[in-house]
Amino acid sequence: GENVEQHPSTLSVQEGDSAVIKCTYSDSASNYFPWYKQELGKRPQLIIDIRSNVGEKKDQRIAVTLNKTAKHFSLHITETQPEDSAVYFCAASRGSTLGRLYFGRGTQLTVWP
Amino acid sequence: IAGITQAPTSQILAAGRRMTLRCTQDMRHNAMYWYRQDLGLGLRLIHYSNTAGTTGKGEVPDGYSVSRANTDDFPLTLASAVPSQTSVYFCASSDIFTPGTGSGYTFGSGTRLTVV
Repeated sequence: GENVEQHPSTLSVQEGDSAVIKCTYSDSASNYFPWYKQELGKRPQLIIDIRSNVGEKKDQRIAVTLNKTAKHFSLHITETQPEDSAVYFCAASRGSTLGRLYFGRGTQLTVWP
Repeated sequence: IAGITQAPTSQILAAGRRMTLRCTQDMRHNAMYWYRQDLGLGLRLIHYSNTAGTTGKGEVPDGYSVSRANTDDFPLTLASAVPSQTSVYFCASSDIFTPGTGSGYTFGSGTRLTVV
């Protein structure tokens, strides 16, 4: 099955700086890559996703890039704010429609004011 | 409000007892999933169901069972709880038969289970 690895496991940045979280996947058939944000004590929530026919996608301060050849994708958060502090999970899924997601182990992001 | 409802929110359970975690969604999603979340291990899939009447095993199915009698409900049962099943359990759903929906998973609010 698919294996998703996520790095780093913890990340601390100063408010206003950028944060980058990287994930690699093993199954070349995977074609859907969402990112979830989980605040303390809350449920994971989808923040951005990308499909394999797109190399980059942006939504305000967050962006995701995908390198299919290298089988890795990254989450970029610019102008970080304390409310960005949370655990972030990457995931991968194969098939032409949505299906089972394979999750990375998560990155604890802390943004210091 | 459309979404997923999990119950109970939290539970302390004696080892050896049977427990069913409830999950109900009103979005008419085809697929439903049960994950457990443990510190440092992320989200691990226990069981899943792609459509009513079918179920499948995930990464960590031992000690758990599920059923999917209809589209909306996907209960998770621990037949005889053990302390290693102490965890936070999340139910999720997705619409896997509508190409391009891009919605990913919708998660429930979770059940915090402590087995003592």
